[in-house]
Amino acid sequence: DAGVIQSPRHEVTEMGQEVTLRCKPISGHNSLFWYRQTMMRGLELLIYFNNNVPIDDSGMPEDRFSAKMPNASFSTLKIQPSEPRDSAVYFCASSLARSSGANVLTFGAGSRLTVL
Amino acid sequence: AQSVTQLDSHVSVSEGTPVLLRCNYSSSYSPSLFWYVQHPNKGLQLLLKYTSAATLVKGINGFEAEFKKSETSFHLTKPSAHMSDAAEYFCVVSDTTGKLIFGQGTTLQVKP
Repeated sequence: DAGVIQSPRHEVTEMGQEVTLRCKPISGHNSLFWYRQTMMRGLELLIYFNNNVPIDDSGMPEDRFSAKMPNASFSTLKIQPSEPRDSAVYFCASSLARSSGANVLTFGAGSRLTVL
Repeated sequence: AQSVTQLDSHVSVSEGTPVLLRCNYSSSYSPSLFWYVQHPNKGLQLLLKYTSAATLVKGINGFEAEFKKSETSFHLTKPSAHMSDAAEYFCVVSDTTGKLIFGQGTTLQVKP
């Protein structure tokens, strides 16, 4: 398996532009997570899906952020309009969620976003 | 609510000496605990996990962690540091829904 695949790896954009980050989870995994990492705030969970359904989006900063998972093999995180404070590394992770036992996440390599 | 506290933001050791990265957790039930490692410009990789089986957990690359309920600790150790161990380490607890709660991270520096 190629692991969790994220694109783009790097994105530089100007304030006000729309940004779309993409994620392909590991085949067979049924949970998908979007995290944001910054120096100031560390790793923050933005949203997670179980069986393509958003379960908890309480970490989404504001209405400018939206996430979708149209099928089991693809998810997007969109920022519209983008702002300089959105600059961060965005990680996607997936797991096979079980009713019991630890939920082990496999992370992608991240998408580094810079908003000028 | 579950939480983790990593007691050191930065740890520096010499190559070949032991490593100790400290983590305390707070949980109202028997937790699942993890250590993840992040090398520069890379994603996070699972080092090891504790899920209420053996209290001493062995992970990859010679790391291990011991779950101590009486101390609410889950410290990460390695007998002998290698230059390639230099990275950011995260202690993580899983809440009742399976959501992972990350500590703030400890940067491990390994000096030659």
